[in-house]
Amino acid sequence: GESVGLHLPTLSVQEGDNSIINCAYSNSASDYFIWYKQESGKGPQFIIDIRSNMDKRQGQRVTVLLNKTVKHLSLQIAATQPGDSAVYFCAENGAQNYGQNFVFGPGTRLSVLP
Amino acid sequence: DTAVSQTPKYLVTQMGNDKSIKCEQNLGHDTMYWYKQDSKKFLKIMFSYNNKELIINETVPNRFSPKSPDKAHLNLHINSLELGDSAVYFCASSQDHGLAGRYEQYFGPGTRLTVT
Repeated sequence: GESVGLHLPTLSVQEGDNSIINCAYSNSASDYFIWYKQESGKGPQFIIDIRSNMDKRQGQRVTVLLNKTVKHLSLQIAATQPGDSAVYFCAENGAQNYGQNFVFGPGTRLSVLP
Repeated sequence: DTAVSQTPKYLVTQMGNDKSIKCEQNLGHDTMYWYKQDSKKFLKIMFSYNNKELIINETVPNRFSPKSPDKAHLNLHINSLELGDSAVYFCASSQDHGLAGRYEQYFGPGTRLTVT
């Protein structure tokens, strides 16, 4: 299940299940979005991106969905594996200085249970 | 080969001191960044810099200053360190691909700064 509060939101899933991580973005003018994965003790790592002229984009085991109407992004991970355990961030490009002003969401910790 | 490297990895110092964190990228990217990540994992951009301009997040105190000796380096200088500066600082770089391109940022491993 998912918990939200003062602490980093955490999503716990069983190994092999699908994971869905959600993100609400703030700027209706943003037209480019990225999902990053941050493992413990490391910097964020690019997973997948999507532009606002698309609703869906698929990568290897990952799918990003974009709903511009409600300013919502989701990252779906198929057949979640222990190596997927990390903190996941969505990032939207800022309205100014295109490509140089990404705003990151608060992050969601994904915990994969054996 | 490490794409984006930072030194030091850990930095412990006392309030009031001045310190620097170094960052180097060997990717030939145009733009480099500094981010601050607090204890709640919130990641916030501090600066972005390419050979044309420095873009500063207006919330960053002027005690923080980026310095770029060349395109491959963007160092972060911090004066008069305060307790609230304790965080993990990440350097990143990206290539400018224009409005239709991909703006993947490559992050360094981070520098954990602890101010006592």
